[in-house]
Amino acid sequence: QKEVEQNSGPLSVPEGAIASLNCTYSDRGSQSFFWYRQYSGKSPELIMFIYSNGDKEDGRFTAQLNKASQYVSLLIRDSQPSDSATYLCAVNGAGNQFYFGTGTSLTVIP
Amino acid sequence: DTAVSQTPKYLVTQMGNDKSIKCEQNLGHDTMYWYKQDSKKFLKIMFSYNNKELIINETVPNRFSPKSPDKAHLNLHINSLELGDSAVYFCASSPQLANTQYFGPGTRLTVL
Repeated sequence: QKEVEQNSGPLSVPEGAIASLNCTYSDRGSQSFFWYRQYSGKSPELIMFIYSNGDKEDGRFTAQLNKASQYVSLLIRDSQPSDSATYLCAVNGAGNQFYFGTGTSLTVIP
Repeated sequence: DTAVSQTPKYLVTQMGNDKSIKCEQNLGHDTMYWYKQDSKKFLKIMFSYNNKELIINETVPNRFSPKSPDKAHLNLHINSLELGDSAVYFCASSPQLANTQYFGPGTRLTVL
């Protein structure tokens, strides 16, 4: 079982819609959860991190964490073509090890 | 100034050669990492260094060896390169182990 799992996509949404990206993790002891965005040919860049159950909002982005269900999601409101990228979920697991999911490819259609 | 830098950006070499990739961070972070991203875009941690000590050493072939001359640098040396080593290698740093990580621009290694 992989430590972090994401649907690889591709996920396509029309411009202006809400994009919903999901991630599940296997280690119940995980404490920190991160979303990174990676444009083609570029390095991953941090979008958001979340430590506590519930929602955390930053501009058009909302991270949601449910530790009981071992589930973390990222919502992108008012999606723009510039949001088209691969989104990587990352989790701080046991022994402070860091695990990335395989990423979800998002395409926002103008 | 670039926070995390890597050189070279591209590296093309023959099988069996030995090569190094350099990484430097000017963020004052305590921890640095090396990741390998394969053609399927899976990002896998290879090593991390915290205050010049190896903290995590995943199941990476011993042909790969990290070298850290100081807290701001973590270089990756690869011996006897193989075709399967072709990938993009990312260096990253974080204030502490398993904190938010900041990535370098990547080094695309191609082994012929």
